This record gives sequence, structure tokens and C-alpha cells, in this order.
Amino acid sequence: DGGITQSPKYLFRKEGQNVTLSCEQNLNHDAMYWYRQDPGQGLRLIYYSQIVNDFQKGDIAEGYSVSREKKESFPLTVTSAQKNPTAFYLCASSIEQTYGYTFGSGTRLTVV
Amino acid sequence: DAKTTQPNSMESNEEEPVHLPCNHSTISGTDYIHWYRQLPSQGPEYVIHGLTSNVNNRMASLAIAEDRKSSTLILHRATLRDAAVYYCILRVGHGLMYSGGGADGLTFGKGTHLIIQP
Repeated sequence: DGGITQSPKYLFRKEGQNVTLSCEQNLNHDAMYWYRQDPGQGLRLIYYSQIVNDFQKGDIAEGYSVSREKKESFPLTVTSAQKNPTAFYLCASSIEQTYGYTFGSGTRLTVV
Repeated sequence: DAKTTQPNSMESNEEEPVHLPCNHSTISGTDYIHWYRQLPSQGPEYVIHGLTSNVNNRMASLAIAEDRKSSTLILHRATLRDAAVYYCILRVGHGLMYSGGGADGLTFGKGTHLIIQP
């Protein structure tokens, strides 16, 4: 079955370390997105990519970086510059904006 | 960006219909209305979306007001598995190339926490 795979499900990081969250999709979707969710809150857009080798900043891009070298993959790096990285991170993809998004199951990042 | 307003929470009984309202008074002509739901510690799940006409699928129905300033998600017969946070979101439908500013990404508010009583 097609879908989006995020790994790992849980991730612990020491302060000052960079960490990369994986997102892979086999839906042949052009667009991919990264969101952050804090407890009891909605989702906030970090970065999105509409096509390979191109990506755009979302509402809260500071302290994060992404790459889109392949259509299937859109990894997110949480850098040490992100002041409050502990959160639930969600990856999504979409064939184009008139259709719905497909979300992954998320990665819960905790800074220790 | 056009925003939506939803009640913080709603409660319903199992096997009864549920009507989840959403106001979007600043919607533009090209905005699609999307609904998603999210269970704890899971990613949101697509439910339904529409532009102007009412829409039905196996999960739910979407009723869109004639002026498009509000919509209602209808769960015809709620089950305990329908207990979740429901998000009503607007998505711009320009095409892959965006002429204006702003991100191509759904803006999620806090949604409506739907509680189903057995």
C-alpha cells in the first residue's frame, strides 16, 4: 500500500546536537510538507516543497533545514539553533492543492 | 490567509448524527474547504474536501453554505472511533505556481475536540 513513512517514531536529542527526521513517500506526490505540533495546539508549517530540488520556508522555519533531492524523500534537520525543539513533527504530501494531504504517523522529538 | 473558526469541543452520543460547524467568513473564491481529523499521537487523517457543492464520501458529508462563509461536516452515525480532533482548513487552489506570498500549506487551528458518549 502507498503511504508516508516517518522515522523514527520517538527521538531523543541532547541540547546542542543536530538531528535529522526522515520522511519517505511512495505515493508519487509532487508536494511534501513538514509541520510541528505542540501539546494542545494545531499544526504549524515549517517547510514545504512543491518539486524536487526546490523548497520554501513556512511560518516557523528558523532553526530548521530541509532538502529535496528525490521526489520520494524530504528529510528535516532540527539544528541546534532551534530554541525549543521538543515537539511532535508531522510530514505530509499532496498530489496538488485541490486534493487532500496524506500525513505520516509523526516523530516525537524530545530534547534532554 | 483566510482563517476558520470552530467550537473548541462538542459532545454527541454513539450512533447519532454529528454536525461539526466551521465559519470561514473571509474565504476567497479559489479556497477549497478541507476537513481532517486527528487521534492522539497520530498524524491527521483526511476526511473530505469541497469547493462549492455539497460532497459525500464513505466517511462523511460536507455541507457548504451558499455564500461559502460556513460549512458543516456531518458524521451520519457516530461511533466511538470517531472521537478525535476535527480540523476545518482552507486551502488555496491556484495551481502549483503561486503568484502571491504565503506558504502552500494548510493552516491548522486548534480544531474541535469531538467526544462520543457510549
